[in-house]
Amino acid sequence: GQQVMQIPQYQHVQEGEDFTTYCNSSTTLSNIQWYKQRPGGHPVFLIQLVKSGEVKKQKRLTFQFGEAKKNSSLHITATQTTDVGTYFCASRTGANNLFFGTGTRLTVIP
Amino acid sequence: SAVISQKPSRDICQRGTSLTIQCQVDSQVTMMFWYRQQPGQSLTLIATANQGSEATYESGFVIDKFPISRPNLTFSTLTVSNMSPEDSSIYLCSVLGHLSNYGYTFGSGTRLTVV
Repeated sequence: GQQVMQIPQYQHVQEGEDFTTYCNSSTTLSNIQWYKQRPGGHPVFLIQLVKSGEVKKQKRLTFQFGEAKKNSSLHITATQTTDVGTYFCASRTGANNLFFGTGTRLTVIP
Repeated sequence: SAVISQKPSRDICQRGTSLTIQCQVDSQVTMMFWYRQQPGQSLTLIATANQGSEATYESGFVIDKFPISRPNLTFSTLTVSNMSPEDSSIYLCSVLGHLSNYGYTFGSGTRLTVV
């Protein structure tokens, strides 16, 4: 199956600091999706990117898809305590199967 | 997007027994997916359940251990058979969202502990 690694595995930030998680694939991806899973919750879809070099923003969140479509990043500006959770990148195959990256667990210290 | 009702939300089971997890979707969907999330880990796809055909299992998962039913376009079950403590995980079902939103919607999960 696809191997999608995320770094860092864990990140602690002070509230108001920025946060970035990186997603790296060994193969070219046709798309990348991002999900947020709150502690004790289930993954919730954030966004999908499909174009090389694509950048999308959602309020304080900025998502990028690399030019080679092998990596992606999620950047959160001025973190808030509500940003706490685990952020997963994932990629959907042609058979519509969704494979997840390893995840980055974000802790925000008030 | 679809709304999924998954149950039970949690259970504690004896080793050697089986547990059946149910997912009900509020709309008809072609494909339903079952995932396992071991403690502190990412989600791993177990199988894809299509109505009217056998489920398709990912490498490392077999039908005898994780039989799946898909009797109609809004419902599916996953059974965890002959459980051992290593099966302690969160199990989640998922469906693909509407074409205008390519995200997947997940059930709230079943937290299984095998003792």
